[in-house]
Amino acid sequence: EAQVTQNPRYLITVTGKKLTVTCSQNMNHEYMSWYRQDPGLGLRQIYYSMNVEVTDKGDVPEGYKVSRKEKRNFPLILESPSPNQTSLYFCASSTRQGRPYEQYFGPGTRLTVT
Amino acid sequence: DQQVKQNSPSLSVQEGRISILNCDYTNSMFDYFLWYKKYPAEGPTFLISISSIKDKNEDGRFTVFLNKSAKHLSLHIVPSQPGDSAVYFCAASRVNNNDMRFGAGTRLTVKP
Repeated sequence: EAQVTQNPRYLITVTGKKLTVTCSQNMNHEYMSWYRQDPGLGLRQIYYSMNVEVTDKGDVPEGYKVSRKEKRNFPLILESPSPNQTSLYFCASSTRQGRPYEQYFGPGTRLTVT
Repeated sequence: DQQVKQNSPSLSVQEGRISILNCDYTNSMFDYFLWYKKYPAEGPTFLISISSIKDKNEDGRFTVFLNKSAKHLSLHIVPSQPGDSAVYFCAASRVNNNDMRFGAGTRLTVKP
């Protein structure tokens, strides 16, 4: 089954404690992205990657890091989480072939930073 | 700076009637537009898209209209069904660029 998986689905942590949210896709997609969803603001892009070892900042990259060492994985790293990073996070992937820009989203990771 | 705006946070329609969801954008460089649908506790799923070289795209009950001069697009759902109740996000991008911008979403409720 074609899918994007994220782990963990729920996470409660404390300010300053480094964490990583993993994202994996099994569709051999070139593009991968991370978004956060906040009430009234919709989905805002944090980082995106157009292929292995190629990453770019999105709309709200501050406080986040990403890496793309393998095509299927695109982890999101919060080196020192703060309460304003409490949000719902989505990973997404898409392909250049066929219908590009039509992204497949993971189920989401709800992060609470206290 | 929200480059894609959905000014109606919610919309309620009767089953069988038409639902019209609206979206405005400010960046004239956008040339590809999409609508996503999101149910609670799930990720958004792609619904329909339109390239800037077209002004209409239809897929079953769903039609997207694009007015480039007004920088406005709309999603029409006819007839609306209770299963269409969800949050709908409008998104915009540029060809060969993965920098996608989303609106804040419109919650559609279709009443039986």
